[in-house]
Amino acid sequence: NAGVTQTPKFQVLKTGQSMTLQCAQDMNHEYMSWYRQDPGMGLRLIHYSVGAGITDQGEVPNGYNVSRSTTEDFPLRLLSAAPSQTSVYFCASSYHNRGPYNSPLHFGNGTRLTVT
Amino acid sequence: AQSVTQLGSHVSVSEGALVLLRCNYSSSVPPYLFWYVQYPNQGLQLLLKYTTGATLVKGINGFEAEFKKSETSFHLTKPSAHMSDAAEYFCAVSGSGGTSYGKLTFGQGTILTVHP
Repeated sequence: NAGVTQTPKFQVLKTGQSMTLQCAQDMNHEYMSWYRQDPGMGLRLIHYSVGAGITDQGEVPNGYNVSRSTTEDFPLRLLSAAPSQTSVYFCASSYHNRGPYNSPLHFGNGTRLTVT
Repeated sequence: AQSVTQLGSHVSVSEGALVLLRCNYSSSVPPYLFWYVQYPNQGLQLLLKYTTGATLVKGINGFEAEFKKSETSFHLTKPSAHMSDAAEYFCAVSGSGGTSYGKLTFGQGTILTVHP
């Protein structure tokens, strides 16, 4: 099992550019989520999904889109990058569709994004 | 609504000394509480969790935490620090009902340094 795989590991964007952060898991987990990590602020939930075709907003969803067409994949799209989106992004999944309450989150190794 | 406050962004201990990382929470529903650990350049991994039942919870690597409802606290302890414990530790809370299942709220993180 590869677990949770995030690509790319590093990315530099110019303001206004768009891109997609990829996340794939091979554990047949129902729940998937995206967090951003900023110094002194911990991790903040961007979007999450409790199954294919179902997504919901987290704490900081503005500027980001997600979709869940398969169980395995949960891409995060930045529509028009801004310097405030410079951060480390983590994808995380868990087995149960009730998410981290019921089963532990498995994290990817992160994508470090810089927007200039 | 739920929130977590970790007291102290940096904690430094000597090898063999007691580790105490403080976490206080706020939740409008019975909380489910978690401690996660992040080693450099990695994603987070679960140390331990409290859902219901026994208030003293044991986790991996000799860590434990006690849920104290009257103090709204969930402090993490380890009797004897090891060099390998150096990492960043995150306290997190999840609600126990409705849409709060899917939303894990993290504290700001505490960086633990262990001196020889």
